[in-house]
Amino acid sequence: GQNIDQPTEMTATEGAIVQINCTYQTSGFNGLFWYQQHAGEAPTFLSYNVLDGLEEKGRFSSFLSRSKGYSYLLLKELQMKDSASYLCAVSLGGRAAGNKLTFGGGTRVLVKP
Amino acid sequence: DSGVTQTPKHLITATGQRVTLRCSPRSGDLSVYWYQQSLDQGLQFLIHYYNGEERAKGNILERFSAQQFPDLHSELNLSSLELGDSALYFCASSSGGKDYGYTFGSGTRLTVV
Repeated sequence: GQNIDQPTEMTATEGAIVQINCTYQTSGFNGLFWYQQHAGEAPTFLSYNVLDGLEEKGRFSSFLSRSKGYSYLLLKELQMKDSASYLCAVSLGGRAAGNKLTFGGGTRVLVKP
Repeated sequence: DSGVTQTPKHLITATGQRVTLRCSPRSGDLSVYWYQQSLDQGLQFLIHYYNGEERAKGNILERFSAQQFPDLHSELNLSSLELGDSALYFCASSSGGKDYGYTFGSGTRLTVV
């Protein structure tokens, strides 16, 4: 089966940095996605990694190591509006999988003043 | 507005009943995915359609079924509803390009009483 693990909850202070780790063991790999989801709302796309290394996009960066089955999402200069769940998802790829995304359980980040 | 339209936004129904959730994908997207998200749970993949054909099935109950019509909108039918079926049901669409994953609709919140 597919296994994607991330911490359940993290707390950080406004202006600080938080790193959300994600480890995965899947039968295929065609890229790793990070989504942000505010409570009761739809997930929104944050980042995509398919090659090893760091992708930076403003205050958010995402890192991937395929050999270690590991990714992290780095949130810098935290703002109160960053309080949300962050979902790690792996695309298994292949025609049969139909580019299906398998999601981890999500990490709830609480930003405190 | 993500471009993916889900109706209705909220649905309250009694146990044993049947409901239909509707999704219109983003213009040009051929793939539609359905996910279930129970309270404080991750996104669970239900089913994927591509251009009218079923492509992949997840942990979808036999009481649930879906289809995608020639105009590419999709419907998820849930029957013999149980209290445990109460959840957020998300539809997402994709062009099939690998880089950006899905675009999610705003979801249908189903409450079974």
